[in-house]
Amino acid sequence: EPEVTQTPSHQVTQMGQEVILRCVPISNHLYFYWYRQILGQKVEFLVSFYNNEISEKSEIFDDQFSVERPDGSNFTLKIRSTKLEDSAMYFCASSEVKVLAKNIQYFGAGTRLSVL
Amino acid sequence: AQTVTQSQPEMSVQEAETVTLSCTYDTSESDYYLFWYKQPPSRQMILVIRQEAYKQQNATENRFSVNFQKAAKSFSLKISDSQLGDAAMYFCAYRSANTGNQFYFGTGTSLTVIP
Repeated sequence: EPEVTQTPSHQVTQMGQEVILRCVPISNHLYFYWYRQILGQKVEFLVSFYNNEISEKSEIFDDQFSVERPDGSNFTLKIRSTKLEDSAMYFCASSEVKVLAKNIQYFGAGTRLSVL
Repeated sequence: AQTVTQSQPEMSVQEAETVTLSCTYDTSESDYYLFWYKQPPSRQMILVIRQEAYKQQNATENRFSVNFQKAAKSFSLKISDSQLGDAAMYFCAYRSANTGNQFYFGTGTSLTVIP
């Protein structure tokens, strides 16, 4: 069965460094998402992306964050200058269609980001 | 904003027994979707079951069923004949039917299955 894959599974970085989290969505999917889960808290929506542009974003997704689909298969989340509070599990998801009735999001296993 | 609450951080069940995971949500919308996702350790979150709010009939998928109480804004997951492979983190999620594609998740319930 097709899967959303995320790399790396664990990323450790120093505060102030830039990180790029990578995701390969399911191949025929057109809509892509990033969520994050700080330890002990809820999974929170960050951003959705369609047709090479952001379609929705949350308050969390500030200027430090950016997303990109650089090559037609990867979907990346960049954090420009990491802060301690960016430490979390980051989940990528993709869905095939936009029609809300059929929008089922498929999630990756997550990347655990640890900012030291 | 919509909120989803899972009041049971951890649950355990004996193999072959039945367990119910709780989920409540808060919304002013009348049309929405509810989901249960399962995340085994170090694995993808997998969709377990989905419920459309306009449907009165509770969704079922093999050993998984829900008790959807719209007036009470409650959406519990029942796992029958629990198996060792059911051990995972279970997330309840809400999505509007009209405004946007983002999911709102609960904090999750970690289910242990005891052999």
